[in-house]
Amino acid sequence: QKEVEQNSGPLSVPEGAIASLNCTYSDRGSQSFFWYRQYSGKSPELIMFIYSNGDKEDGRFTAQLNKASQYVSLLIRDSQPSDSATYLCAVRGGQNFVFGPGTRLSVLP
Amino acid sequence: ETGVTQSPTHLIKTRGQQVTLRCSSQSGHNTVSWYQQALGQGPQFIFQYYREEENGRGNFPPRFSGLQFPNYSSELNVNALELDDSALYLCASSAGLAGGPGELFFGEGSRLTVL
Repeated sequence: QKEVEQNSGPLSVPEGAIASLNCTYSDRGSQSFFWYRQYSGKSPELIMFIYSNGDKEDGRFTAQLNKASQYVSLLIRDSQPSDSATYLCAVRGGQNFVFGPGTRLSVLP
Repeated sequence: ETGVTQSPTHLIKTRGQQVTLRCSSQSGHNTVSWYQQALGQGPQFIFQYYREEENGRGNFPPRFSGLQFPNYSSELNVNALELDDSALYLCASSAGLAGGPGELFFGEGSRLTVL
């Protein structure tokens, strides 16, 4: 069974700090990796995706992928209270996406 | 560009009843996937439709069924509702099998409560 694991949190960081969110996956055949943000009571919205080893930056967000270690991370620089949400890691292998349980992030003013 | 829309947004049913949820995909997207998200959990894959054919199914019983129409909109039907079916049902559209990462774009969801 393909699994995606995340720490459920909550992860609390002060405003302006770097938040680091981690994800591991079980299927070595996975091709693409996604981070979604979900506010309470809302649907997931795509932050970014990555499919090559290394780092990918988009504004305050950096995704990191290490396929050998089956590890994906998301760094949020200069965290803002508006970043407080649940962050879902999703892994695509074939046509199916497998989501982790999400990490709840709380950015304290 | 029109995003993914779902209806209804909220509904309450009783155990044993049937429900139909509807989804219109994002403009230009030919693939629709349905996910169930229970409280405090990540979305769980139900099934995917591509060009009106089921193109993959998760670990859900046959009482979960679906359709995709020629305009790529879709329905999720659940028969013989059980209490554990209470969840947020998410529809996601994507550009399908055309290559690329195939990222999912979600609608706002339909929150189903089964009493």
